[in-house]
Amino acid sequence: QAQLFQSGTDVRRPGTSVNVSCESSGIDLNGHYIHWVRQAPGQGLEWMGTIAPGGSHETYARKFRGRMSMTRDTATTTAHMSLQSLTFEDTAVYYCARGGRRPDSNCFDPWGQGTLVTVSS
Amino acid sequence: QSALAQPASVSASPGQSITLTCTGTSSALGNYDLISWYQQYPGKAPTVLIFEGSKRHSGLSNRFSVSKSGNTVSLTISDLQAEDEATYFCCAYVGSSIWVFGGGSRVTVL
Repeated sequence: QAQLFQSGTDVRRPGTSVNVSCESSGIDLNGHYIHWVRQAPGQGLEWMGTIAPGGSHETYARKFRGRMSMTRDTATTTAHMSLQSLTFEDTAVYYCARGGRRPDSNCFDPWGQGTLVTVSS
Repeated sequence: QSALAQPASVSASPGQSITLTCTGTSSALGNYDLISWYQQYPGKAPTVLIFEGSKRHSGLSNRFSVSKSGNTVSLTISDLQAEDEATYFCCAYVGSSIWVFGGGSRVTVL
């Protein structure tokens, strides 16, 4: 079954960084954009950014520019997201999702299972 | 505050129809083909229902339909079923590789 598997739950202190990984199984990520979306407790979905096929280009939502980075490894079909300078407001479930082959392909499918990141002192 | 506005909650009885709206600026919803809808059950990852404006994801019931009027796109669920109780999000491509989600509408089946 085509799935994206994400790294496990993480707890971080304020001011530190978190890394979330997203590995594909049974689906082709090569040639597809990969998106990162987060969801704070009880809140809606928030698009964070996308990385182009081959990792050639990244686009970040304005609020995450400067403290978020994305990479992908085509050999291992794994994507990574790092968020720095964490605050309590970064507590959320972080999702990766496969996008289309074009930057405007609006179909996020499939999604990873989500990674809960808790920022706590 | 989301760039795409959705009603926070909608409820109806089984068998009825409901319409979930997603309202945004012309830049966000101007291109109907760049809008998608997602369903999310509590504690689960979202799944795509509709993409590229009106294309149904594989296996999606034809009880789900979409329409657009001005800067509002709508998802209609006909013959509401208990399994439709979930939160629904609209999503739009706004250009320059940027996407935005609506705040989500929680559907309750009475």
